[in-house]
Amino acid sequence: DAGVTQSPTHLIKTRGQQVTLRCSPKSGHDTVSWYQQALGQGPQFIFQYYEEEERQRGNFPDRFSGHQFPNYSSELNVNALLLGDSALYLCASSSIGLAGLNNEQFFGPGTRLTVL
Amino acid sequence: RKEVEQDPGPFNVPEGATVAFNCTYSNSASQSFFWYRQDCRKEPKLLMSVYSSGNEDGRFTAQLNRASQYISLLIRDSKLSDSATYLCVVNPRSQGNLIFGKGTKLSVKP
Repeated sequence: DAGVTQSPTHLIKTRGQQVTLRCSPKSGHDTVSWYQQALGQGPQFIFQYYEEEERQRGNFPDRFSGHQFPNYSSELNVNALLLGDSALYLCASSSIGLAGLNNEQFFGPGTRLTVL
Repeated sequence: RKEVEQDPGPFNVPEGATVAFNCTYSNSASQSFFWYRQDCRKEPKLLMSVYSSGNEDGRFTAQLNRASQYISLLIRDSKLSDSATYLCVVNPRSQGNLIFGKGTKLSVKP
């Protein structure tokens, strides 16, 4: 049973460029959440996708956008990159139970983005 | 006040020691609580969920005190392999956004 996978593992971009990160959730999971983890900090919630729609969003600007596909995989897009966007981007998968509540989230290995 | 606060450490302990981490959270309506472990430059991995009645998994014991809004993790008989950063995590209203503390770094020495 494959766990959460993310691609690419590393990425180097320059300021102003755009980037797309990809995530495939664990088998049986239907929900994908994205987090940004800066060095020395805990992960910060960006947004969550369920049924191909953004279910909840954290305090991130509109430059951060996402998408979920019918097979539950997801993309995170960041436009107009800033130096401060350099971080580890983590994808977490989970399933929404019958009560609409979020179960435990399992993380992928992350994509390390460096903006020069 | 930060939403989830932890002592960043580092905690440097010898093998075999017992070590305890505490964490406080600000949102009294929070419903789910977790401890994650994160090794250097790796993803967080779920260590255990935390229940009001307290729960134990081998050498690890987690406690939740809703009245005081704090969560604890106790590690008994520390192993070298326990060296990692331990993240206290709160999920308000069981919605999407896990809220992480900054983590407590543990280093277990021979």
